[in-house]
Amino acid sequence: AQTVTQSQPEMSVQEAETVTLSCTYDTSENNYYLFWYKQPPSRQMILVIRQEAYKQQNATENRFSVNFQKAAKSFSLKISDSQLGDTAMYFCAFRVTGNQFYFGTGTSLTVIP
Amino acid sequence: EAGVAQSPRYKIIEKRQSVAFWCNPISGHATLYWYQQILGQGPKLLIQFQNNGVVDDSQLPKDRFSAERLKGVDSTLKIQPAKLEDSAVYLCASSLTAGNTIYFGEGSWLTVV
Repeated sequence: AQTVTQSQPEMSVQEAETVTLSCTYDTSENNYYLFWYKQPPSRQMILVIRQEAYKQQNATENRFSVNFQKAAKSFSLKISDSQLGDTAMYFCAFRVTGNQFYFGTGTSLTVIP
Repeated sequence: EAGVAQSPRYKIIEKRQSVAFWCNPISGHATLYWYQQILGQGPKLLIQFQNNGVVDDSQLPKDRFSAERLKGVDSTLKIQPAKLEDSAVYLCASSLTAGNTIYFGEGSWLTVV
């Protein structure tokens, strides 16, 4: 069975600082994709970053980067230079090609001015 | 490029009534998903379509929920009769193929009273 675990229900960070959100997953598959989605109060899920498991290089998107540790089945999200607009729920998601997405329970991030 | 469109955005109904949600995916996206997100939880897949065929509906409560995707484009999710525990946001999402990133609509908020 595929599972995604986010062990930090809530986190906060000072504006302009860096924060890391944790995510672990469990799977016996070798080829899969990992995602971080952001969900602001409007509840629309917005893709933040995506990582293919076959790629060793960590994905980066502007202020967002991941630390992908395949052996440890860990996929953390680092947000640099945090901005007030980063305040949202963040969901880690996992997908084996052709199959459904599995979402974690989310981490509520608050950026403090 | 237009995103995933959903309507209505908000709906309040009494228990035992029925409700229908509509989704128009991104143009050209063959795969369409309906997720249920209860407050404080991650999204849960209800049903996944590939074109107009059902790929996965294992978590769809078929005694009260139904969904269709006629002509492989728009989709409708129906709940009849609604229960209090159906109060949630219903997210529609689409992807080019079953292996790609999924893109979400803004969601349809349902409150059952």
